[in-house]
Amino acid sequence: VQMTQSPSYLAASPGESVSISCKASKSISNNLAWYQEKPGKANKLLIHSGSTLQSGTPSRFSGSGSGTDFTLTIRSLESEDFAVYYCQQYNEYPLTFGSGTKLEIK
Amino acid sequence: QVQLKETGPGLVQPTQTLSITCTVSGFSLTSYYMQWVRQTPGKGLEWMGFIRSGGSTEYNSEFKSRLSISRDTSKNQVFLKMNSLKTEDTGVYYCARDRGSHWGQGVMVTVSS
Repeated sequence: VQMTQSPSYLAASPGESVSISCKASKSISNNLAWYQEKPGKANKLLIHSGSTLQSGTPSRFSGSGSGTDFTLTIRSLESEDFAVYYCQQYNEYPLTFGSGTKLEIK
Repeated sequence: QVQLKETGPGLVQPTQTLSITCTVSGFSLTSYYMQWVRQTPGKGLEWMGFIRSGGSTEYNSEFKSRLSISRDTSKNQVFLKMNSLKTEDTGVYYCARDRGSHWGQGVMVTVSS
């Protein structure tokens, strides 16, 4: 399953809201996770099952979608949110990732 | 506290075999499956395979012919072995627990002569 993530780059200011899209090449039900990558830190699972927040994920993060189209939304950006975000499908083998979205401070 | 730490050789010559160890603490390998994921400049994040809590394995067919994942539950360690290395295998190799709830920091591997 090919995962097409967009945009690849996003610039926003603290306090703003942003959305990241992830499209699957075939239906993956809701078997999608979102991860955050920051330099020097372990990758962090934010959301699984398309929209379920992992324990510890702030409520300003939300996930939506099912089938082939998914969205990660971050409301009221905080400085710690500027990072790279990846989607991953785990509906079928091989598990596959999107190419990532780099969220930078405007 | 759940912790995962990868250790590996850093530099490997082409055609040689890569061996990486993931040492875990804070949980039992017999209760969780463990994944290996790598990140390369050419392909980004790639899922390589996993070993289930019961010890069976699943591999990405992209690597199947040269990849082996095993574990030693008594030492809380999971192992990745991949042979016939190429320069394109250069990247960061990660172990992760179950659906990715916890990741190691990764180990950089350079394949070069």
